[in-house]
Amino acid sequence: DGGITQSPKYLFRKEGQNVTLSCEQNLNHDAMYWYRQDPGQGLRLIYYSQIVNDFQKGDIAEGYSVSREKKESFPLTVTSAQKNPTAFYLCASTSERDNEQFFGPGTRLTVL
Amino acid sequence: GQSLEQPSEVTAVEGAIVQINCTYQTSGFYGLSWYQQHDGGAPTFLSYNALDGLEETGRFSSFLSRSDSYGYLLLQELQMKDSASYFCAVNRYNFNKFYFGSGTKLNVKP
Repeated sequence: DGGITQSPKYLFRKEGQNVTLSCEQNLNHDAMYWYRQDPGQGLRLIYYSQIVNDFQKGDIAEGYSVSREKKESFPLTVTSAQKNPTAFYLCASTSERDNEQFFGPGTRLTVL
Repeated sequence: GQSLEQPSEVTAVEGAIVQINCTYQTSGFYGLSWYQQHDGGAPTFLSYNALDGLEETGRFSSFLSRSDSYGYLLLQELQMKDSASYFCAVNRYNFNKFYFGSGTKLNVKP
């Protein structure tokens, strides 16, 4: 079955630590996205990538970094520079033909 | 910038019809889409309107009017499992970036 996987499902981090969230897709989609969702809020775009080895900042990129070395993978690193990282992080992909986003199950990050 | 406005919460009874509105201030977008998200889960795609008018998919219908900067999601024959948050979104011409509304929490009561 094709889809998007994210790991881990829950992640706890101490202040000052960097953590990396995994996102893998086997849908053969070119475009991938990272969103942040806070309780009771909508999705805000962190980073997106249209093709391998290329990515652009979204609306709230400060304190985050990404890489796109393979079409299937788009990991997100939450750095210590992110002041309030506790949130639900969602990875998504979109094929060029479609205007539909496919989401992974999400990673819930908590900073202790 | 761009913004999409939705009511924060709507309550309806099982079997009823409910309409969730979305007004937006943006231009240069391909279309308006709707997503459903249950508590703790990931958003799932419901419908997409590239053109003005009504799109029907089973119990769900979605409408877009670009001249009025307005769209809505219509849910018919409500079921308890429809209790969830619903988000409207636009995907803009610029790199096909998606922008989401803040969501409407739908409570379906017996």
